[in-house]
Amino acid sequence: EAGVAQSPRYKIIEKRQSVAFWCNPISGHATLYWYQQILGQGPKLLIQFQNNGVVDDSQLPKDRFSAERLKGVDSTLKIQPAKLEDSAVYLCASSSYRDRGSGANVLTFGAGSRLTVL
Amino acid sequence: KQEVTQIPAALSVPEGENLVLNCSFTDSAIYNLQWFRQDPGKGLTSLLLIQSSQREQTSGRLNASLDKSSGRSTLYIAASQPGDSATYLCAVRRRNYGGSQGNLIFGKGTKLSVKP
Repeated sequence: EAGVAQSPRYKIIEKRQSVAFWCNPISGHATLYWYQQILGQGPKLLIQFQNNGVVDDSQLPKDRFSAERLKGVDSTLKIQPAKLEDSAVYLCASSSYRDRGSGANVLTFGAGSRLTVL
Repeated sequence: KQEVTQIPAALSVPEGENLVLNCSFTDSAIYNLQWFRQDPGKGLTSLLLIQSSQREQTSGRLNASLDKSSGRSTLYIAASQPGDSATYLCAVRRRNYGGSQGNLIFGKGTKLSVKP
């Protein structure tokens, strides 16, 4: 089974520029997540999709961040304009099933896209 | 608001030593707790998941415990190896009103280095 694919792996931009990240989840996974992980911090959920609908975007800075998941498969996360504090790794994760024993959602994470804003 | 704290932030041990990583959380209304491993430049790998009704889970040399009433979890690694070097993240999944699963709230992680 192929994992969660993300691109680009690295991106360096200047502040006020825009950037977009792409995520291709595991085939058949209905739920897709974008997390932001600032250096030295744990990941923080930005947005959660169920198929192509938004379940939770309460922590997404909507004045500069946007995300979409067309056709319930791939997703893009865009930042415009970028700020210095947006420097982070952006992790995409997907899930489709619940652990048999616990019933918990089991997430598979991609390798992440590292953004540096100068 | 749920907060997750991990102590220590970094740990260096000689190969073969047994070690314990600590995680604490402020709100005991959790659905479950997970321990993840993160290697540099890679995503997160789930190690162990403990349901709120469980006390511990084991996988190989790893054992995770959960004391929901005190808001604490520990990850015990037996006979550590250099390949265990990574950052270990603790995450709690909230229990929403009505009992449904909420989001994962992560700690900042413990960076473990096992020296040969």
